[in-house]
Amino acid sequence: DTEVTQTPKHLVMGMTNKKSLKCEQHMGHRAMYWYKQKAKKPPELMFVYSYEKLSINESVPSRFSPECPNSSLLNLHLHALQPEDSALYLCASSSPLGPSGNTIYFGEGSWLTVV
Amino acid sequence: GDSVTQMEGPVTLSEEAFLTINCTYTATGYPSLFWYVQYPGEGLQLLLKATKADDKGSNKGFEATYRKETTSFHLEKGSVQVSDSAVYFCALSPGAQKLVFGQGTRLTINP
Repeated sequence: DTEVTQTPKHLVMGMTNKKSLKCEQHMGHRAMYWYKQKAKKPPELMFVYSYEKLSINESVPSRFSPECPNSSLLNLHLHALQPEDSALYLCASSSPLGPSGNTIYFGEGSWLTVV
Repeated sequence: GDSVTQMEGPVTLSEEAFLTINCTYTATGYPSLFWYVQYPGEGLQLLLKATKADDKGSNKGFEATYRKETTSFHLEKGSVQVSDSAVYFCALSPGAQKLVFGQGTRLTINP
């Protein structure tokens, strides 16, 4: 079972709003990721958490704030976003151990529209 | 640096046609190779993978073989269906927690 669950599936927010995207996995993976995908482009890495610690931040603006409350959950807090931040936000997870190796599994994504 | 090059799309085929989507890569070391598929309005699904040279990944009738001598990982399917219409991404992982994507190839299958 390779399932990464993301909520909400769709989110519309104003530029002054504060909202959060949520992600959950129960595969025992110890690395979790946020990616951003614009239309007709491949996903771009934003953040990586490894063993609940932030290990990679790809120079993402501070209006995006990740949080990893435990090994199964990953949040992305959004504040003062711009219309150009509208995109599909993908959560993913992976385990460095076992036969899966370095395979990264993605969720269904959260479609974000900033108005 | 590591990179992945996919054939440019869009690709349009008729149902039951043979499919090839070319993918070549540049990497130091021995990366793992992946094909992901993204159906309209959805996230990415892992389609198949190969972790070492000469490995063949397969799933849902799709196949790809890790060719180190030609640095390629071409995706093939013998008989495509309308339901295969999607965007296909070739990717490599040079190590844990890293994934390098190609630009994606949009495939449309007409009945």
